[in-house]
Parts: sequence; structure tokens; C-alpha cells
Amino acid sequence: DQQVKQNSPSLSVQEGRISILNCDYTNSMFDYFLWYKKYPAEGPTFLISISSIKDKNEDGRFTVFLNKSAKHLSLHIVPSQPGDSAVYFCAASHSTNAGKSTFGDGTTLTVKP
Amino acid sequence: EAGVAQSPRYKIIEKRQSVAFWCNPISGHATLYWYQQILGQGPKLLIQFQNNGVVDDSQLPKDRFSAERLKGVDSTLKIQPAKLEDSAVYLCASSPRGPGETQYFGPGTRLLVL
Repeated sequence: DQQVKQNSPSLSVQEGRISILNCDYTNSMFDYFLWYKKYPAEGPTFLISISSIKDKNEDGRFTVFLNKSAKHLSLHIVPSQPGDSAVYFCAASHSTNAGKSTFGDGTTLTVKP
Repeated sequence: EAGVAQSPRYKIIEKRQSVAFWCNPISGHATLYWYQQILGQGPKLLIQFQNNGVVDDSQLPKDRFSAERLKGVDSTLKIQPAKLEDSAVYLCASSPRGPGETQYFGPGTRLLVL
């Protein structure tokens, strides 16, 4: 039973356009959500997070939206740059142990120049 | 500031052999995590330490996997005996104080079991 799902294994966008990565979760107890970026042969790097008390969080070109009723979150990257090409993981946790994150399987983003 | 260090970076063993991985977290970080990432999947938490105590090891296959964090700093993860399905990247991460903080990942150890 996969509690965090990223249904698109890959996404390709043109440089300068918007990238939208999606994530769905099934466990209604999750109240903290994170996005990580991973380059080949490196560990994941934290990108942005959102608490369930918010529905949007912004950090520069990156914005995460949370729809609790739909158990859905999305990461928007505007404008997309070639250096954004990486695997993006969505993760979720509960405040009883915020360190115990459940990860999705990732979406590979390719930004074409 | 130095990042999370892991060694070795790559390891190839035969099934039923033993293997150990080492992690040195960022200096001063209290919480340390070990993850298993199978190809095509996201990282799965195996064990979480707070200083030298175990916070969560519910997903650690305890019949063959063990981990320790002596003196609340470095940590080792051991597999004994290894199975083919243990082929994966083993990631170590640390966070400054508590579980709710940003986790910083090391580069991982890629294990291939033949």
C-alpha cells in the first residue's frame, strides 16, 4: 500500500515555461509535506515544505500548493531552467514523528534549452 | 561546513555475505537516519536515531539488518547475511536537533548483491 504516489514518472518542459509536478497521498494523518531534488550520484536535497495549516508556500521560483480535501499537492517551478533537470521526490510525515517521512517514487524532470 | 559523509561509495558482494556501511553526520547534528532506496523507488526509512538512542526502527528487517550509533556521532549499518533484494542505495541523513527539521543527505552507498 503506497501512501505517497507520484503518478508521473517523467516530465519534459521547455526552458522558461512552468513545470508542475504532482503528488497524491492516502494517509489523512500526514500533516507535513516536503519536496526534495536529487541529481545522479548525489543524495536528495531539501527544496521546499508545507504544513497542513497552509495551502501555499513560496520560495523564489518554487511554489508548493496543498489541497487537503483532495489529498493532493503540487510543486510549481517558474520559470524552469536546465539546471532544474533532476528527480523530484514528494515526502509526507506526521507531527508525532516529523522525521519519519514517507517518500513517493519520484518524477524525473527534464528542462530542455 | 562539511556535509554528511558515507563510505564506501560502492560495494559488490555475493549473497549470504556480510557488509557494513559507515556514516559521519554533519557535526553537531543530533538526529541520524538510514534509508534504503531501491532502483526506481523513493527512499524508505530503515532506522532513526536521536543522539545514540533509537527513535524508530519499525521498517528495519531485524533478522538481517542492524545499526548502531555509538557516542551519538558516527553510525554503522550492517547486513548479515545479504540477499539479492538488498541491492539498493543506502542513504544516510542527519538533522540538527529534532525530527521536524530539514534532513541533509549524504551521497549514499550503492550496494550490488550477486
